[in-house]
Amino acid sequence: DTAVSQTPKYLVTQMGNDKSIKCEQNLGHDTMYWYKQDSKKFLKIMFSYNNKELIINETVPNRFSPKSPDKAHLNLHINSLELGDSAVYFCASSLSGSSTDTQYFGPGTRLTVL
Amino acid sequence: AQRVTQPEKLLSVFKGAPVELKCNYSYSGSPELFWYVQYSRQRLQLLLRHISRESIKGFTADLNKGETSFHLKKPFAQEEDSAMYYCALIAGNMLTFGGGTRLMVKP
Repeated sequence: DTAVSQTPKYLVTQMGNDKSIKCEQNLGHDTMYWYKQDSKKFLKIMFSYNNKELIINETVPNRFSPKSPDKAHLNLHINSLELGDSAVYFCASSLSGSSTDTQYFGPGTRLTVL
Repeated sequence: AQRVTQPEKLLSVFKGAPVELKCNYSYSGSPELFWYVQYSRQRLQLLLRHISRESIKGFTADLNKGETSFHLKKPFAQEEDSAMYYCALIAGNMLTFGGGTRLMVKP
């Protein structure tokens, strides 16, 4: 059973397009996250949702909009894609968002913008 | 703001040799620190956390508040330890990662 899943695994698209990445967790967790891993392997948090409410929003361009239809899903929509958006995007979840909770990561989505 | 630094991007050792992956942090509060590992073609997963004081797969890490370090150690490296290792600090519910160290264990 996959705990945290993401689709698609790979996404190749042209500059200017709009795309979405989906994330689902079946762990019954309340909190979900999106991280970006750049070409130098730096992992940086983008967003965090707790029970469908946005609780962390780092300095991410407005072109990125997370959407949480329910607490098991946190999708990432990106408008007007730019070359610099090329990265691996990881979704994660944790039980309650407490600092003592372990975060469980999805397999990542490699986005390539041409 | 918190910051996590892993000074080595790549660490290459021979099988059976001791390993130490360095991690330094800066944080004004009381830190909670973790090591995450990503094996080839697998997802990022938690290796250990300092509050548990546990040894996982032979790895240990001790929080040294005086030196603001949380180095990951293993006395005898195995080939299957080859992976990408990330040190991370949590503040509030925000996890901040270091830049990662790729460990290569040669036969």
